[in-house]
Amino acid sequence: AQSVSQHNHHVILSEAASLELGCNYSYGGTVNLFWYVQYPGQHLQLLLKYFSGDPLVKGIKGFEAEFIKSKFSFNLRKPSVQWSDTAEYFCAVYAGGTSYGKLTFGQGTILTVHP
Amino acid sequence: NAGVTQTPKFRILKIGQSMTLQCTQDMNHNYMYWYRQDPGMGLKLIYYSVGAGITDKGEVPNGYNVSRSTTEDFPLRLELAAPSQTSVYFCASSYNPGASSGYTFGSGTRLTVV
Repeated sequence: AQSVSQHNHHVILSEAASLELGCNYSYGGTVNLFWYVQYPGQHLQLLLKYFSGDPLVKGIKGFEAEFIKSKFSFNLRKPSVQWSDTAEYFCAVYAGGTSYGKLTFGQGTILTVHP
Repeated sequence: NAGVTQTPKFRILKIGQSMTLQCTQDMNHNYMYWYRQDPGMGLKLIYYSVGAGITDKGEVPNGYNVSRSTTEDFPLRLELAAPSQTSVYFCASSYNPGASSGYTFGSGTRLTVV
């Protein structure tokens, strides 16, 4: 079964700092990759996704992620964070086949941005 | 569109009580899921359904039951509540998560068992 690992549990940054959140997955076949964001007190929302093609994908609010197949990684980046980016971020993998549409989520990374 | 609607938003149960968490979606999605979210543990799949009348266990099904009599509704039943079931529960749906849309999540139910 596939698994997803997010390296950092809690990241604390000041506004305008650059962000990179790590995500690694374990599955040797074709995958679809997602990043979700959960703002305080809210439900999860899709931030961006990768299915095929250009390994650098852009999402909402200036976020982007790069799929590196050889490293089984899908790291999330943002050049300059804002206070409003304070949230929990989840990486997720869909492995297809008999997964019956099930996404496997990482443990989540809490991002705190200080003004 | 309302999307995915969960009720109630908050609930406190006593040990041994039972309850049903409601989930309904109006997007005609075949796939529906129940996850629980615990701090630092991410989301764990409890049960899922690939269509009306078809359900299956996820990672952490013990202590829960589900049914899927219609495409729209996917209720989660707790029969004998235990403190270990204190968590935030999210229902989600998808037309096909392997395609472009991913999941649509409900707003969650925060359950405390005392």
